[in-house]
Amino acid sequence: GQNIDQPTEMTATEGAIVQINCTYQTSGFNGLFWYQQHAGEAPTFLSYNVLDGLEEKGRFSSFLSRSKGYSYLLLKELQMKDSASYLCAVLDSNYQLIWGAGTKLIIKP
Amino acid sequence: EAQVTQNPRYLITVTGKKLTVTCSQNMNHEYMSWYRQDPGLGLRQIYYSMNVEVTDKGDVPEGYKVSRKEKRNFPLILESPSPNQTSLYFCASSPSGSGGDVTGELFFGEGSRLTVL
Repeated sequence: GQNIDQPTEMTATEGAIVQINCTYQTSGFNGLFWYQQHAGEAPTFLSYNVLDGLEEKGRFSSFLSRSKGYSYLLLKELQMKDSASYLCAVLDSNYQLIWGAGTKLIIKP
Repeated sequence: EAQVTQNPRYLITVTGKKLTVTCSQNMNHEYMSWYRQDPGLGLRQIYYSMNVEVTDKGDVPEGYKVSRKEKRNFPLILESPSPNQTSLYFCASSPSGSGGDVTGELFFGEGSRLTVL
């Protein structure tokens, strides 16, 4: 079966750096997405990786290793507004999105 | 403003009373999809549509129907709602990639919280 694993919850301190990991086993791979979802709101797009390596976008970076079935989202200079759930999703060989359950990130002052 | 609009945002209903959740997008996207989100389970796809008059089942289609008669609209129909359909529902759209597959980012509606008593 297809599976995406992410930690359920993480806690970090304002101003610090946090890395949220995502491992996947899917039938084929056509890219990996990260979305941010604040409580009670819709998910919003953060990043898309299809090739191995690091993609940097401001305070957020996303890394992909296709051979290891692994990605991480790196958040720097954490702010209180970064408290949210972070969703990892993989586009499989049929171009269907397989979603992880999400990681709830709690930022403490 | 580019957006996906869902209605109603909140609804409490009773078992067996048919309801429709509307979804409309103004971005001329070909791909549209419905998801439900439950605690600890993440987003699960109900139905999706690659284009007008083309719809397919997702992972959890039982108890739901959809239609795509116009490009902008993709309503979700619950013919006979049951308590296990209590959930947060999201409609999403995306411009199609080559071959009509979803390769671009998804744009989500604000969500519809449905409670079935």
